[in-house]
Amino acid sequence: EIVMTQSPVTLSVSPGERATLSCRASQSVSSDLAWYQQKPGQAPRLLIYDASTRATDIPARFSGSGSGTEFTLTISSLQSEDFAVYYCQHYNNWPPRWTFGQGTKVEIK
Amino acid sequence: EVQLLESGGDLVQPGGSLRLSCAASGFTFSNYAMSWVRQAPGKGLEWVSSISSNGGITFYGDSVKGRFTISRDNSKNTLYLQMKSLRAEDTAVFYCASMVRGVIRGAFEIWGQGTKVTVSS
Repeated sequence: EIVMTQSPVTLSVSPGERATLSCRASQSVSSDLAWYQQKPGQAPRLLIYDASTRATDIPARFSGSGSGTEFTLTISSLQSEDFAVYYCQHYNNWPPRWTFGQGTKVEIK
Repeated sequence: EVQLLESGGDLVQPGGSLRLSCAASGFTFSNYAMSWVRQAPGKGLEWVSSISSNGGITFYGDSVKGRFTISRDNSKNTLYLQMKSLRAEDTAVFYCASMVRGVIRGAFEIWGQGTKVTVSS
């Protein structure tokens, strides 16, 4: 079973600054990785899939990179609406399985 | 507008059963694989189950295999999750989600607002 580990657990960032979130897989997952944003009391929202493809209507300040075991979500200039919890997720090819990381909370510094 | 609307969440006793529904609108439901994801109170996200666009292929997470059944009615644009032998650890908000590109792999693109299931005596 592939384990997804996110770091840090909490990231304190000032508005306008860059935020860099990491996700590590316990074994290679190629580029089969997604990132989600979740705000309190809301459903998750897909940001990035296939490691680097932005989902529909996602602002360009969100970018994903990496392949294999190391992945990064970068928010280039944090806006007030970006403070939330972010999850990475691996999707296995066969048999299909979906594994989430434990999440990184991005909070206001 | 693309929308998923879950319903059916409730308070149920341990060992009980419950059926969740997810009504889809704004897209061609029959072309999309669908999934259920849950989130226990204060915890992270956990994949529960997925089903192919025609309903012929299903997959389950280890924690629910043998107890939950996913199904769909494409004529009603509705996804279901039948849950039995419920346990306290099944307490969670359950989300339905559509799959990117409609295939039964990949990311979860569109999410519903969730329905709350509480298992307690």
